[in-house]
Amino acid sequence: QQQVKQSPQSLIVQKGGISIINCAYENTAFDYFPWYQQFPGKGPALLIAIRPDVSEKKEGRFTISFNKSAKQFSLHIMDSQPGDSATYFCAAPAGNKLTFGGGTRVLVKP
Amino acid sequence: KAGVTQTPRYLIKTRGQQVTLSCSPISGHRSVSWYQQTPGQGLQFLFEYFSETQRNKGNFPGRFSGRQFSNSRSEMNVSTLELGDSALYLCASSFGTGYGYGYTFGSGTRLTVV
Repeated sequence: QQQVKQSPQSLIVQKGGISIINCAYENTAFDYFPWYQQFPGKGPALLIAIRPDVSEKKEGRFTISFNKSAKQFSLHIMDSQPGDSATYFCAAPAGNKLTFGGGTRVLVKP
Repeated sequence: KAGVTQTPRYLIKTRGQQVTLSCSPISGHRSVSWYQQTPGQGLQFLFEYFSETQRNKGNFPGRFSGRQFSNSRSEMNVSTLELGDSALYLCASSFGTGYGYGYTFGSGTRLTVV
C-alpha cells in the first residue's frame, strides 16, 4: 500500500532552471513532511521539511509548497546546479517510521 | 561528531546463506531504524529499535530480524537469503523514538545475493 506517491520518476533540467517534484499522500495522520536528498553511494540526508500548518517553507534555493486540502506537497529547486544532481525523496512519518515516495532522479545539465 | 556507521559496506552472499549487518548510531542516539532500498520497491521500513526493544515492524517476512544492544548498536539478520534480498540496507539513528527527534541515515550496506 503506497501512501506517498511521487512524480516524476526522473527529470532533466538545465543549469539555472527550476526543478519541480510533486508528492501526494493519503494518510491525514501525517503531520510532518520531509524531503531527503541522496547521492550515489550515500544514505538519504534531510534536505528540508514542512509541517501542515504552513503553506510554504524556503531554505536557500529549496522551497516546499504544501496544499493540505489537496493532500499534496512539492519541492522546488530554484537556480538548479550540477551539484544538485541526485535522487530526491519525499517522505511522511508515522511515529518513527518514515513512509517514502518512490524517488525522483534529477539530472542538472551544465 | 561521528555519523551513523554501517558495516560492512559491501557483501556478497549465496542463496540460502544468512547474513548479519551492523549499525552503530550517533553517540547519544537510542533509536535505530532499518530500511531496505531497491530500485523496484524504493525505501521500505524494516523495523525500529529503541532501548533494546523493537518498537515498530514493517511488512517483511520473519527471515528478517534484528536486535539492539545496551550501547544502542544494532544488528540486522537475514536468514535463508533469496535473490530478491539483494538491496541497499540503510539504518538511521535518532535520539528518541518519534520523528521529531531527528533522523540520520548511514551510507548503507550493499548486499548482493547470488
